[in-house]
Amino acid sequence: QKEVEQNSGPLSVPEGAIASLNCTYSDRGSQSFFWYRQYSGKSPELIMSIYSNGDKEDGRFTAQLNKASQYVSLLIRDSQPSDSATYLCAVVMYSGGGADGLTFGKGTHLIIQP
Amino acid sequence: DAMVIQNPRYQVTQFGKPVTLSCSQTLNHNVMYWYQQKSSQAPKLLFHYYDKDFNNEADTPDNFQSRRPNTSFCFLDIRSPGLGDAAMYLCATSRTGYFNEQFFGPGTRLTVL
Repeated sequence: QKEVEQNSGPLSVPEGAIASLNCTYSDRGSQSFFWYRQYSGKSPELIMSIYSNGDKEDGRFTAQLNKASQYVSLLIRDSQPSDSATYLCAVVMYSGGGADGLTFGKGTHLIIQP
Repeated sequence: DAMVIQNPRYQVTQFGKPVTLSCSQTLNHNVMYWYQQKSSQAPKLLFHYYDKDFNNEADTPDNFQSRRPNTSFCFLDIRSPGLGDAAMYLCATSRTGYFNEQFFGPGTRLTVL
C-alpha cells in the first residue's frame, strides 16, 4: 500500500527558532511533492512544491527532497505564532497505469510558543 | 482574484436526505477534485474530473456522485447521507494532472443529524 508518513506531533518550537517537519513516502517512483498548511477548521493551503532533489527556498520556508532516501522535509525559519497549524505532506503516487493521485500524510501539528 | 469557491460553507442535513455541494473556480483549470476530510485525518480523494472525463476512486461509495456541467462548476451529490458521512468536503483544482499544484476551496462542513 502506498503511504505517506508524518509524525503527528504536536511539535512545539519557540518563537524565532527553526521548525523542522519531516515526511517519508513509500513509492520510489514519486516525482512530485507538496507541503500544505491547514489551520483548524480551514482548508489546506499550498506552501511549497518540490520536484528535484535538493533544497527549494521561498521566504522563510525551505523544502528539502531526497529521493534516494524517500524523504521530504519542510523548514520554517524565524517561526511565528501564526505558523501554528497542521502541516500536510502530499506525494503523487504511481501504479502500473500511471499516476494514482495525490496521497496525503495525516499531518504534523506544529505549535509555536511565544 | 482567481479562486476556488464552495457553497454552502456549512450544510446540515438529515439522515438519508439527499444533499448537493457545489464548487466553482475562476482559475480555468482543467482538473477538479473532491476530497473528504474527517477530523484529524488526511484528505481522502473521492473522485476527479479531467475536463469532462470522470475518474472515480475504487473505494468511493456509490452513495457519492459528481457532476461537472462546465469547466467552472462541479457538484458533489450525496444521495443518502449517513452519520459516517459527516465531514469537511474539499474541492480542489489543478491546471492539468496530478503533477501540478492543487488549490483548495474553503470547504463545506457537512453535519448529518
